[in-house]
Amino acid sequence: GIQVEQSPPDLILQEGANSTLRCNFSDSVNNLQWFHQNPWGQLINLFYIPSGTKQNGRLSATTVATERYSLLYISSSQTTDSGVYFCAAGAGSNYKLTFGKGTLLTVNP
Amino acid sequence: DAGVIQSPRHEVTEMGQEVTLRCKPISGHNSLFWYRQTMMRGLELLIYFNNNVPIDDSGMPEDRFSAKMPNASFSTLKIQPSEPRDSAVYFCASSPQENQPQHFGDGTRLSIL
Repeated sequence: GIQVEQSPPDLILQEGANSTLRCNFSDSVNNLQWFHQNPWGQLINLFYIPSGTKQNGRLSATTVATERYSLLYISSSQTTDSGVYFCAAGAGSNYKLTFGKGTLLTVNP
Repeated sequence: DAGVIQSPRHEVTEMGQEVTLRCKPISGHNSLFWYRQTMMRGLELLIYFNNNVPIDDSGMPEDRFSAKMPNASFSTLKIQPSEPRDSAVYFCASSPQENQPQHFGDGTRLSIL
C-alpha cells in the first residue's frame, strides 16, 4: 500500500513564527487531507487537497501530485496552533486513508 | 450542521466485558469509516462502509471485533470479549462519497483494565 512520511517529527516555535510541514507519499493519490489533532484529541479537517493550492486564513497547503509531496504552511503561529498535524493519503480505490506519523508542533508564548 | 457524533466519549471497563461504540455520521454522507489510534501503530482504518454495506474489513484485528451499520444514520463497533490491548482511541469518520474528504468525530477513549 501507499507509504506516507511526514517531516519534521517535532517542531518548536515562538508565537508569531512561520513554519512549513512536509508530507511525502509513495504513489499517485486521489485523496490527500491535512488534519490537526488538538490537545483534546480532536481531529480537525484542515484541507482536502489531492492537488493544487488552497488557503484558509493563516494556513495554506500545496500538493504537487507529480512529485508526490504536499506542504502545509502556518504563518504567524499562535499557541492554539499547537498539536499534532497529520497528513493522510488515499490511492487507487482512494477511500482508504493512510496516515503519516504526524508532526508535533509546539508554539510557545 | 452537526458533525459526526460518537458515544461514549470515554469508556473504562474490565477485560472480558463486551464494549459497544456508537457513531452517527453526518446526514447525507454515504461512506462511514472506523479508525483506531494507538501510540504504537498510529491511526489505522478498521472497517469501511458504503451505503450501509461493509466494503473492506481487512483492518479489523480479529474476530473479537465486529461492526454493523443497520441504517444510514447509525453504526456500531463491538468488541467481545475485550482485552487490555484493545485500549485506544476509536474514531468514526464519514464522507459524502468514497473519494471526498472524511470528517472525524471526537473519538471514544477506551481503556480496558
